[in-house]
Amino acid sequence: DTGVSQDPRHKITKRGQNVTFRCDPISELNRLYWYRQTLGQGPEFLTYFQNEAQLEKSRLLSDRFSAERPKGSFSTLEIQRTEQGDSAMYLCASSSTGRSNQPQHFGDGTRLSIL
Amino acid sequence: DQQVKQNSPSLSVQEGRISILNCDYTNSMFDYFLWYKKYPAEGPTFLISISSIKDKNEDGRFTVFLNKSAKHLSLHIVPSQPGDSAVYFCAASGDGANSKLTFGKGITLSVRP
Repeated sequence: DTGVSQDPRHKITKRGQNVTFRCDPISELNRLYWYRQTLGQGPEFLTYFQNEAQLEKSRLLSDRFSAERPKGSFSTLEIQRTEQGDSAMYLCASSSTGRSNQPQHFGDGTRLSIL
Repeated sequence: DQQVKQNSPSLSVQEGRISILNCDYTNSMFDYFLWYKKYPAEGPTFLISISSIKDKNEDGRFTVFLNKSAKHLSLHIVPSQPGDSAVYFCAASGDGANSKLTFGKGITLSVRP
């Protein structure tokens, strides 16, 4: 399967702990996006990378959140000092740059539950 | 401030009939529109898209219509099948570097056998 892979699929942790998620994108696509989805809502943009450069961050991405994409391959999203409101599905997506618009292809997400 | 709105939370149709899912947007800078389908415990799956320079795009049973003056798009599924039952999200983006997607809240489609 050459789609977007996310790990872990589920994460349960206590409030105040740090968590890290990993995304392995589709290898030939150079853009990588992170979104967050809460119950009853559509996904909300958090940040995106083109190759290793982080080009945009949403104001939803507080100082407790950090994302990296070393060497332009996989990406990690870390949340420090987790809070109840961080409980959500975290989705990663891949797309390519090009002359015309390209759709984003999503992984199955990491579901985070804060106790 | 919701820039992409899917005002109907659910839709139920009979198998074989047409499903019409609607979406409205407010940001005139959007120029690329997409529909995604989502099953429980899975990520959104890309269905079909349309650029703002077109008013219709068709792919098999799926057709997307765009009315720029009304800032409205719709997804038609003909004929509807029970396997189409899922949550459908409308999404929009700008061009070039402004490629992040803005999603609606989704519509739950149920296709009755």
